[in-house]
Amino acid sequence: AQSVSQHNHHVILSEAASLELGCNYSYGGTVNLFWYVQYPGQHLQLLLKYFSGDPLVKGIKGFEAEFIKSKFSFNLRKPSVQWSDTAEYFCAVNANNAGNMLTFGGGTRLMVKP
Amino acid sequence: DVKVTQSSRYLVKRTGEKVFLECVQDMDHENMFWYRQDPGLGLRLIYFSYDVKMKEKGDIPEGYSVSREKKERFSLILESASTNQTSMYLCASLPAEFTDTQYFGPGTRLTVL
Repeated sequence: AQSVSQHNHHVILSEAASLELGCNYSYGGTVNLFWYVQYPGQHLQLLLKYFSGDPLVKGIKGFEAEFIKSKFSFNLRKPSVQWSDTAEYFCAVNANNAGNMLTFGGGTRLMVKP
Repeated sequence: DVKVTQSSRYLVKRTGEKVFLECVQDMDHENMFWYRQDPGLGLRLIYFSYDVKMKEKGDIPEGYSVSREKKERFSLILESASTNQTSMYLCASLPAEFTDTQYFGPGTRLTVL
């Protein structure tokens, strides 16, 4: 079974700082990759996704992620965070041998100080 | 917009009670999922269903069962609630082809005393 690791459980940044959240997965075959965000008190919602094509994916609110197949990674980045980015971020992987199942990482809580 | 609704936002039950969590989606999606969300563990799949009356175990099905009698509704059942089932429960739905994201409900925070 595949696993997904998010190495940072808590991240605290000041506004305008750059962000990079790590995500590594264990499956060696074809994967679909996702980042979800959960703002305080709100639904989990999709930030961005990778299915194929350009490994640099741009999502909503200025976020992007880069799929590096050789490193089994899909790190999330934002050049300049805002206070409103305070949320929990989840990386998720769908492996092509897993049907419609997603495997989630443990999540990273981001706090942005104003 | 896809809408996934869950019957309760907060629920408090006692050990040994039978608990029903309901989820309804309005987009005619074939696939529906139940997860639990715990700090540091992310979301873990309990059960999913790819069609009416069809179900598959996820990673942590023990202590849970599910029911899907209608396409739009997917129920999670705790036959005899225990304190270690205190958690946030999230429902999600997905169209037949995995070319899209899962759509999540708002969650039910269940506390078992």
